[in-house]
Amino acid sequence: EDKVVQSPLSLVVHEGDTVTLNCSYEVTNFRSLLWYKQEKKAPTFLFMLTSSGIEKKSGRLSSILDKKELFSILNITATQTGDSAVYLCAAPTGANSKLTFGKGITLSVRP
Amino acid sequence: DADVTQTPRNRITKTGKRIMLECSQTKGHDRMYWYRQDPGLGLRLIYYSFDVKDINKGEISDGYSVSRQAQAKFSLSLESAIPNQTALYFCATSDFGPRQDTQYFGPGTRLTVL
Repeated sequence: EDKVVQSPLSLVVHEGDTVTLNCSYEVTNFRSLLWYKQEKKAPTFLFMLTSSGIEKKSGRLSSILDKKELFSILNITATQTGDSAVYLCAAPTGANSKLTFGKGITLSVRP
Repeated sequence: DADVTQTPRNRITKTGKRIMLECSQTKGHDRMYWYRQDPGLGLRLIYYSFDVKDINKGEISDGYSVSRQAQAKFSLSLESAIPNQTALYFCATSDFGPRQDTQYFGPGTRLTVL
């Protein structure tokens, strides 16, 4: 059965810290892995990764995929209170490539 | 204006009532999805549609039905609501082709069934 597993499930850091969020996967016919940020309501798209070792970067956020070890990490440097959110990773699975989501990582950034 | 809209945003109803949640999009995407989100369980797919004539069950379709009225509209119905359908419901859309994996979410509907 295809699955996406995130760890840790929750994390508390202080402003200015660097944080690494993990997502491992077991997906038949893997094609891509996606990261989303969910604040109060709707998940918003961050990155889509398809190739190993190529970092995607947006401001203080970056992400990389390791297709050999079957995981991805999302890094946030110089964290701010506005980074507090649930971070979701997902991968297309099954015959129709519908997204399977991990349970999410709740990040709390304290002032 | 938001690309994906959902109505209502909040709804409280009673057990046994019929409820319809509506989703509209202006992104021009062919693919639309309905998810529910529960604490500790993450996002789970209820139904999805790849075009107006295509409807597919997701992992938790029991107790729900959908209608794809047009490319831009996808509604979710609870024929007889029950308390364990209390959850946050999201509609999402995606394009066809190379960008099909990226889904864009509506703001969500918080449904409470008493």
